[in-house]
Amino acid sequence: GAGVSQSPSNKVTEKGKDVELRCDPISGHTALYWYRQSLGQGLEFLIYFQGNSAPDKSGLPSDRFSAERTGGSVSTLTIQRTQQEDSAVYLCASSPRGSGYGYTFGSGTRLTVV
Amino acid sequence: GNSVTQMEGPVTLSEEAFLTINCTYTATGYPSLFWYVQYPGEGLQLLLKATKADDKGSNKGFEATYRKETTSFHLEKGSVQVSDSAVYFCALSDPQYSGGGADGLTFGKGTHLIIQP
Repeated sequence: GAGVSQSPSNKVTEKGKDVELRCDPISGHTALYWYRQSLGQGLEFLIYFQGNSAPDKSGLPSDRFSAERTGGSVSTLTIQRTQQEDSAVYLCASSPRGSGYGYTFGSGTRLTVV
Repeated sequence: GNSVTQMEGPVTLSEEAFLTINCTYTATGYPSLFWYVQYPGEGLQLLLKATKADDKGSNKGFEATYRKETTSFHLEKGSVQVSDSAVYFCALSDPQYSGGGADGLTFGKGTHLIIQP
């Protein structure tokens, strides 16, 4: 596609429920990244994919967070048993080969856990 | 580890004023440096970048020079407009710090810029 697409744009969920956030990167971009943007906290790196592989998952804040990417394209970030502290904007970005080329960001998913 | 430090905001200026947003970094290797901008209600957009020492990135009247000796990448604009009001993020990519292959950009916390007419 023309840009990085994320869905849903907004999600309100009850504490304890699972949520799935989707990212559709720019066609042909092999690198895909997930970040979390919390008020007053800046941007927190979560995970990156090169193709379908995630070489480093250490940025995921807990084992309730997981992510996968299939076909070298769409990625899903799953948060299980959501907590109120998970409320944030989750941003996805893609890049042709790596972060040294700069990213194209999606508009994000605003997650609110009530 | 890598880190990026930006001046705290909000920064409030009058239209046509000169802008400087300070950014300094710590990196283990030879990073590329970036400025991203986030306009209200929108996602982050790449504003400019520099990939080696003494490079100057520029776009939309904004400039930043990669200063290795001071580990800085300050953002400047000679005459700001109301439409420049946004949050600006300084970031670095350090391929020497593989961290098992993290390859993520390290961002500063962002500087909220408010331009008043």
